[in-house]
Amino acid sequence: KAGVTQTPRYLIKTRGQQVTLSCSPISGHRSVSWYQQTPGQGLQFLFEYFSETQRNKGNFPGRFSGRQFSNSRSEMNVSTLELGDSALYLCASTNPQGRRTQYFGPGTRLTVL
Amino acid sequence: GQQLNQSPQSMFIQEGEDVSMNCTSSSIFNTWLWYKQDPGEGPVLLIALYKAGELTSNGRLTAQFGITRKDSFLNISASIPSDVGIYFCAGPQTNTGNQFYFGTGTSLTVIP
Repeated sequence: KAGVTQTPRYLIKTRGQQVTLSCSPISGHRSVSWYQQTPGQGLQFLFEYFSETQRNKGNFPGRFSGRQFSNSRSEMNVSTLELGDSALYLCASTNPQGRRTQYFGPGTRLTVL
Repeated sequence: GQQLNQSPQSMFIQEGEDVSMNCTSSSIFNTWLWYKQDPGEGPVLLIALYKAGELTSNGRLTAQFGITRKDSFLNISASIPSDVGIYFCAGPQTNTGNQFYFGTGTSLTVIP
């Protein structure tokens, strides 16, 4: 089974721009979670999508949004980028039933200039 | 949000030494997961624990699910240079819609 994939792996943007990141979960997984990771803050939960619905949401401003498609692929959008948005953005998919285990993708490194 | 307390924060050890780290929480967890992350990469799942008292091994790695369900331990035996990285504990909380919570990480440096 293929793992979680994320595109692009690296991205450079300037302040004020917007960005869209993509995540494809493991086949059969319907839950996709997004995290922001910075050296000072560790792993911060952004949101979780399950069957195209946002199920959980972290404490991030409305500039951060996401969606999930019927094939479980998910996108995350950040509008009006700020310097502080520079981070590694990680996507994780969770097995559909039974023992909950989360598997991560390789991440997208976003640099905002 | 809630974070798990992980210690030590960092470790510097000689190659061949054994390593121990732990994770504690004020809340009960029914699942404990241990991950390793290399710089710039996503965390990789090392060991999953699903039952209080469970002891599970993966090669030189051994993890235990604490009896109180509020802690977990990870041991690495005979460390090698490729063990370098950041180790995270994690688990889902059913009272928050099964959202996953993560430890603050233990940074491991192995000196050849």
